[in-house]
Amino acid sequence: TQLLEQSPQFLSIQEGENLTVYCNSSSVFSSLQWYRQEPGEGPVLLVTVVTGGEVKKLKRLTFQFGDARKDSSLHITAAQTGDTGLYLCAGGPSNTGKLIFGQGTTLQVKP
Amino acid sequence: KAGVTQTPRYLIKTRGQQVTLSCSPISGHRSVSWYQQTPGQGLQFLFEYFSETQRNKGNFPGRFSGRQFSNSRSEMNVSTLELGDSALYLCASSLVGGGRAFFGQGTRLTVV
Repeated sequence: TQLLEQSPQFLSIQEGENLTVYCNSSSVFSSLQWYRQEPGEGPVLLVTVVTGGEVKKLKRLTFQFGDARKDSSLHITAAQTGDTGLYLCAGGPSNTGKLIFGQGTTLQVKP
Repeated sequence: KAGVTQTPRYLIKTRGQQVTLSCSPISGHRSVSWYQQTPGQGLQFLFEYFSETQRNKGNFPGRFSGRQFSNSRSEMNVSTLELGDSALYLCASSLVGGGRAFFGQGTRLTVV
């Protein structure tokens, strides 16, 4: 059974600080996705990483996929209050719509 | 391009009743997956439909069922509702599955 473990579960920081969220597994994933979810809404896809060692940047967000495709990280530089939300990593068997989600990281950025 | 649409947004039901939730995927997407999200368990996969056939199933009791129509729209049904079924039910669509999935806003189901 594929599992994804996210850490930390909760993060409360001041605006302007940097942070990193980790997503780890003992299984190999063909790709991993990162989502951001706001209360009462569905998750919004931020990025998909597919190649081991891949690094993708989305403005102040940097996503890495581990060389062995078992882990990923999300780094936010100079966090803003608008970054507040639940961050979720997800992956699953290729060519199916089944996604396994990590427990999520609740990020609170204080002004 | 319209996103994934779920209806209704909110629902209150009584224990023992049944409920049907609807999901219209992004045009052209053939894979529709359903998830249950609760504070304690997080996001859990219910099932996936592809070309009107259930392709994958999660570890939920048989009270949870679904179907997909020829236009890719999907419905999920929960029978004999229990208090523990209170959750945000999310639908996600993708072209053929595998990777980029797009979620609807969800249906918040409260069982009283």
